[in-house]
Amino acid sequence: SQTIHQWPATLVQPVGSPLSLECTVEGTSNPNLYWYRQAAGRGLQLLFYSVGIGQISSEVPQNLSASRPQDRQFILSSKKLLLSDSGFYLCAWSEDPLTEAFFGQGTRLTVV
Amino acid sequence: KNQVEQSPQSLIILEGKNCTLQCNYTVSPFSNLRWYKQDTGRGPVSLTIMTFSENTKSNGRYTATLDADTKQSSLHITASQLSDSASYICVVSAGSYIPTFGRGTSLIVHP
Repeated sequence: SQTIHQWPATLVQPVGSPLSLECTVEGTSNPNLYWYRQAAGRGLQLLFYSVGIGQISSEVPQNLSASRPQDRQFILSSKKLLLSDSGFYLCAWSEDPLTEAFFGQGTRLTVV
Repeated sequence: KNQVEQSPQSLIILEGKNCTLQCNYTVSPFSNLRWYKQDTGRGPVSLTIMTFSENTKSNGRYTATLDADTKQSSLHITASQLSDSASYICVVSAGSYIPTFGRGTSLIVHP
């Protein structure tokens, strides 16, 4: 069966520090991978999605970047965090955009 | 522009009662509609998925309906339990594009 791992679960970082969140998927190949952000009281906002290794599409211009160095690995990064980067970050995978998406447990990021 | 609107924004009910959550969408061309349940601090989990030809789909005490003509969906929860307290998110897919998420309805079930 397929599983998705996302870490860390919580993170407190100072303004201006770098960020690296990692997500890996097991039990499937060539998944579509997604990074979402959920601000307090808001809906899920798609940040990046990837249909293959090295293929990244950005939905919202921001202080963040994403990379997919391996088929089942998706990384969310920032060189310098802003206070506005605080939020709940979710990684997800699906076989294609029309099928069910399976989400990781999320990372609660607080920038102080 | 593809949009998904959910109502109410929040809802409080007593344990054992039924409730209905609404989802209106302007996504086109419609491919499918999904309802997710998101517990606080966790990732969303799929409850149901419906295509254009499906009007109703059930998953235990959860029943989703779809009216493709009026572009409306509802999620009915029967005999609510404390564990139903969560955010319920409506997600609509258009063609092969990335799906559009609603902001969710926050449901609180009180004993």
